[in-house]
This record gives sequence, C-alpha cells and structure tokens, in this order.
Amino acid sequence: DVVLTQTPPTLSATIGQSVSISCRSSQSLLHSNGNTYLHWLLQRPGQSPQLLIYLVSRLESGVPNRFSGSGSGTDFTLKISGVEAEDLGVYYCVQGTHALTFGSGTKLEIK
Amino acid sequence: EVQLVESGGGLVKPGSSLKLSCVASGFTFSSYGMHWIRQAPKKGLEWIALIYYDSSNKYYADSVKGRFTISRDNSKNTLYLEMNSLRSEDTAMYYCAKTARYWGQGVMVTVSS
Repeated sequence: DVVLTQTPPTLSATIGQSVSISCRSSQSLLHSNGNTYLHWLLQRPGQSPQLLIYLVSRLESGVPNRFSGSGSGTDFTLKISGVEAEDLGVYYCVQGTHALTFGSGTKLEIK
Repeated sequence: EVQLVESGGGLVKPGSSLKLSCVASGFTFSSYGMHWIRQAPKKGLEWIALIYYDSSNKYYADSVKGRFTISRDNSKNTLYLEMNSLRSEDTAMYYCAKTARYWGQGVMVTVSS
C-alpha cells in the first residue's frame, strides 16, 4: 500500500508569509498513462475537504494563484505564497495512482 | 453542478449494522467510480472503499474488509455503504466522493453503547 508522509504536522504563519508543505510517497506516483495523481486538499474547520491542486501542479478552478504545487515521482510540495486569514485549516496530500491514500495532514494556524 | 448528499448515519451500538446512502446529481453517475472516505473525530482522512462505475470491481481498506460492503444503483444515482459488526473505532464522519474533486457534506456515524 502507498504511504504518504506529510510534513510538518503543524504550521504557524503570519499574514503574508510564504509557507511550504511536503508530501513524500513510499512509491512512485507516476501512472502508466503518464499522469501523476497527486493532489492537495484543504479542509477548513467544520467543512468537507476541497480540492486546491490536482495532478501535482494544476490549480483548481476558483482557487487563488497564491497556491502552487510542484514535484514528481515520490516528492511533492504545496506552497502558499502570502498566507491569508482564510487559508487556515488542515491541508492534505492525496494520491489516486494506486487506489486512494491521504497524507496525515498539516494544520495551518494564523499567528 | 455536482452534488453528493449522504444520509443514513446515526448512533448505533457496537455489533450492529447501518447502511449509508449517497445520492449523486449534476454528472453522469453511471460513468464514474465512487469512493467512501471517513474521518474519525479530530483525526485525518481515511479512504475505505472504491467501486467502479459498473460495479465490476470493489476495493476496501483493511480496516473495513469483510465488514463493510460498497454498492451502487446506477438507475437511482445512488451509492451505498453497508456497515456490519460496527465497532467504536468506526465512529467517524463518512463522506462519499467522486475523485478528490467532489465531496459530499458527510454523515456522522457514532458507535457507542
């Protein structure tokens, strides 16, 4: 089974600060069809998760462009360039190359 | 607009059964695989089951294998999760999802004596 190791578990940021979250997979997420099914979700308090980034680096419609994703193979990163108050919540990486697996989450707090 | 609406949750005793439903709209339900994902209180997300668009394949997490059954009725645009031999550790919010993009609002299942 694929294991996604997500770090750090918590992040405390000031408004305007840039932060990064790492997601490392126990095996390559490159599918035989050439796609890498690594996505990033944000779960705000009391809400269902929402998709931010799909296929490593593609910005979901309606998501601010301060969010960006990068990586390949087994190592992936979500970057928020200029945190805003509405960004607080828990961020999850999720892979869909081999069934579905979630990272353990990163809680973003606003200082 | 894609909508997924779960129902059927509640408070049940250990060892009992419960069946969740997820009604889908806004897309061609019969063309897509569907997932059930759960989240225990204050915990992370756990994928628990996947069913192919035509029910030809079903996959389960080890934590629920042999106790939970995923199914679907494409004529009713509805996804199901039948849960048997429920345990306290099954207490969670249960979400249905179409890929990682579309999620329902979730339904709470509490297993307690």
